[in-house]
Amino acid sequence: DAGVIQSPRHEVTEMGQEVTLRCKPISGHNSLFWYRQTMMRGLELLIYFNNNVPIDDSGMPEDRFSAKMPNASFSTLKIQPSEPRDSAVYFCASSLPFNEQFFGPGTRLTVL
Amino acid sequence: GENVEQHPSTLSVQEGDSAVIKCTYSDSASNYFPWYKQELGKRPQLIIDIRSNVGEKKDQRIAVTLNKTAKHFSLHITETQPEDSAVYFCAASLMEYGNKLVFGAGTILRVKS
Repeated sequence: DAGVIQSPRHEVTEMGQEVTLRCKPISGHNSLFWYRQTMMRGLELLIYFNNNVPIDDSGMPEDRFSAKMPNASFSTLKIQPSEPRDSAVYFCASSLPFNEQFFGPGTRLTVL
Repeated sequence: GENVEQHPSTLSVQEGDSAVIKCTYSDSASNYFPWYKQELGKRPQLIIDIRSNVGEKKDQRIAVTLNKTAKHFSLHITETQPEDSAVYFCAASLMEYGNKLVFGAGTILRVKS
C-alpha cells in the first residue's frame, strides 16, 4: 500500500490567495483527520471525518478554513483567503475503526 | 476537553543511557495512549501505544507505562542510539470509531555519541 498521499508537498502563495490541500487516505480506512503543525501551537487536530461525514470540526480556526470529503478516497482542506499566520505543515492521517492513525508526508504551506 | 502535558521539552542523553518522557492527561475517560516519533522534516510515526486495560507494554528497547489513577503515562527508551534522536509526542484519546487524539507539546530527544 502506498500509505496516505498528500499533495502538493510544498506550497508557496501570497496573502489573499486561495489554497487547496489534497489527501488520499489508505484504501479501506474509514476515518480521516486533518492536522496542522507549527512551532508555537504544536500538532493540532483541525477536523475529522468518519465514513466521509465530518464528525468534529471544533479545531478549524475560522471560517476561512473548510474541509470536504466527497468520497472515501479523497479529501480537501481549503483556505480562502490565506494569511501569513496560516503558514504551517498540514498533515492528513487515516485509520481503520478503533485503530491507530497513519500520517501522510504533510504539505508545507508558506503564505507570503 | 482533554489536555495533555508532556515533560521534558528537551532531553539530552549519552548513547547507551536510558531516556524517560512523561505525560499527564486530564480526562479520566481517555483510554488510548499512543506515542509518535517524528524525525526532522518527516511525518509522525507510531512507535508504541497502550490501552487502559494494561499497565505496561514493551517492544524491544521501548516501553510504555500507564497509571490511570494518577492519569499519567511514560515512554522509556533503553540503550539509546543516535538514530533515536527525534521529537517524541504523546497523545491521549477516548478510542472510538474515529479516534480523536490530543497531542502533548513534544520532547526533543538528542542522543550524543
